[in-house]
Parts: sequence; structure tokens; C-alpha cells
Amino acid sequence: AQTVTQSQPEMSVQEAETVTLSCTYDTSESDYYLFWYKQPPSRQMILVIRQEAYKQQNATENRFSVNFQKAAKSFSLKISDSQLGDAAMYFCAYRSVMTTDSWGKLQFGAGTQVVVTP
Amino acid sequence: NAGVTQTPKFRVLKTGQSMTLLCAQDMNHEYMYWYRQDPGMGLRLIHYSVGEGTTAKGEVPDGYNVSRLKKQNFLLGLESAAPSQTSVYFCASSYGISGTPPYEQYFGPGTRLTVT
Repeated sequence: AQTVTQSQPEMSVQEAETVTLSCTYDTSESDYYLFWYKQPPSRQMILVIRQEAYKQQNATENRFSVNFQKAAKSFSLKISDSQLGDAAMYFCAYRSVMTTDSWGKLQFGAGTQVVVTP
Repeated sequence: NAGVTQTPKFRVLKTGQSMTLLCAQDMNHEYMYWYRQDPGMGLRLIHYSVGEGTTAKGEVPDGYNVSRLKKQNFLLGLESAAPSQTSVYFCASSYGISGTPPYEQYFGPGTRLTVT
């Protein structure tokens, strides 16, 4: 079974600065998907960014980008120009592409709380 | 589009009581999932469904049952609630074509359940 580890329970960043959240995972599969989800105080889970393992190019969505290191099984999220609205819990998640493995089940890390200070 | 909705948003149960959480989606998604979220543990899969009339166990299924009688609805039942089931419950759905991996999961707003 795959495991996802987020070793930073909390990260603090000043507005307009950059913060990087780390995520490592363990898998024996060669193809899979990785995600970062944001959960603000409203509890709503919001997809931030997705990375397909077969793509070497790192995914980018506006101020959010990832550093995907497949050999190291590392998937970090960089938030640039941080805004107060970025304050939330961020979850890293893994999804197998194997159709026999829970049909798209997401394996989540424990989460990293991002605090943004003015 | 309402997306994924969950009923109720909050609930307090006494130990031994039963209840059903309702999840509804209006996106014609094939796949639906129930997760629970506990502090420091992220979300864990309870049960899931790959189509109307089919369900399967996830990572932490004990104490829960599910049903998918209609494609748009996925019900999670607690027959005899226990304090260990105090958690936030999330429903999710995703589009998928039979035989191929599903796409991103869309989440409901969650239900906070407290069992005393």
C-alpha cells in the first residue's frame, strides 16, 4: 500500500513571500497521480494542482507550482507571493492509476497548516 | 450545478444510536467515495462505489455501511454509533468511464459528527 508523508505540521509565511511545503510518498508503481488539496476553515476541499507521474514537466497553476522528483519520491508545493487567502490546511494526496486499486482512491498525507502573516 | 452536497452538516449522536448521512451529486459521476477526517491523520477512505448498485470497502470500513441505489446518491450508515466515530465525514465523486481510471475527485462540504 502507498503511504504519503507530510513532515511539516505547520508553516508560517509573510504576505508576498514564498513558502514550500514538502511531501514524500512510498510506492512501487511507475505510473500514478499526485495532488495538492487546500482546505480552508470552511472545510471545503479544493484541488490546487495535479501532477501525472509520467510527465517530467512540473505542473504550475498561477502562484502554485510543484517540484516533482520521481526518483526521490518527492512532491513539494511552492506558493509564491503568498496572500491572506492562502491560509489553510494543505494536503498532499496520491492516486494509483491501477483500476484494480480502489478505483481512484486518494491516499492523503496528514496535512500542513499554512499560516499567513500580514 | 450544486456539485456535491451532504446532509446534514452537523449532528450529535448518543452512543448506540443510528443515523444515515446522505451524499448527492448532480454531475452524473460514476464514482463516489466516503472519507473520514480526523486530526493529524488526513482523510481516510471508508467505502466507495464505482456505479449504481455497487459498493466496496475502503481503508476503514468497520462500523459503517453504504448503499448506492441511485447513481446520484451515496448513503453512509452508522448502525450503532461509537465515540470513535466522532469525525468529519466527506463525500466525493468523480467522472469515470468503466475500465479507465477516474478523474479528479470533487468533494462535498463535510458533515461534523459527534458521538457522546
